[in-house]
Amino acid sequence: AQKITQTQPGMFVQEKEAVTLDCTYDTSDQSYGLFWYKQPSSGEMIFLIYQGSYDEQNATEGRYSLNFQKARKSANLVISASQLGDSAMYFCAMRVDSGGGADGLTFGKGTHLIIQP
Amino acid sequence: EPEVTQTPSHQVTQMGQEVILRCVPISNHLYFYWYRQILGQKVEFLVSFYNNEISEKSEIFDDQFSVERPDGSNFTLKIRSTKLEDSAMYFCASSVTGYSNQPQHFGDGTRLSIL
Repeated sequence: AQKITQTQPGMFVQEKEAVTLDCTYDTSDQSYGLFWYKQPSSGEMIFLIYQGSYDEQNATEGRYSLNFQKARKSANLVISASQLGDSAMYFCAMRVDSGGGADGLTFGKGTHLIIQP
Repeated sequence: EPEVTQTPSHQVTQMGQEVILRCVPISNHLYFYWYRQILGQKVEFLVSFYNNEISEKSEIFDDQFSVERPDGSNFTLKIRSTKLEDSAMYFCASSVTGYSNQPQHFGDGTRLSIL
């Protein structure tokens, strides 16, 4: 079974600062993917960034980057130059290649990020 | 950009009644999923669906739940004999393949309130 741990229930960050949201994972599978989703107060789930277990480079998508440290089993999300619109819940999730069916995502409990002007 | 659409956005149902939540996945996606998020809690996987049959399901997805793809576009979640604890946000998602390198794209969710 997989497990995602997000140790920061909430964070306050000043606008324009960079922010790092922590995520550690646990799995015995070798092939897996790590994902970050954003959930604004309106409730929708927005896919942000993906990192594969065999990827050697850290993933980047615009202001989002993923600091992947495989030996430590961590996949932290870094948001550069934070904006007021970044205020939301952020979920780390993972999915393994079980070799059979399409496994669902395993989510962490999330981090509530608040950007302050 | 193509998106997953879910209807209704909010459903209020009396305890014991049946409810059907509807989803239209992204058109070229082959794998479909349902997730549940109880208020203030993390998102939980319910079921995945491929080629007109269930691919994987969690322990939450018991006989009370069923899924169906009644036509070429809709994907539904049926909850029978609803209970108070079924109150949650239900998300539909889809992906191109079932591999771990494919992101799942979520709909905006249906908020289900059981009275």
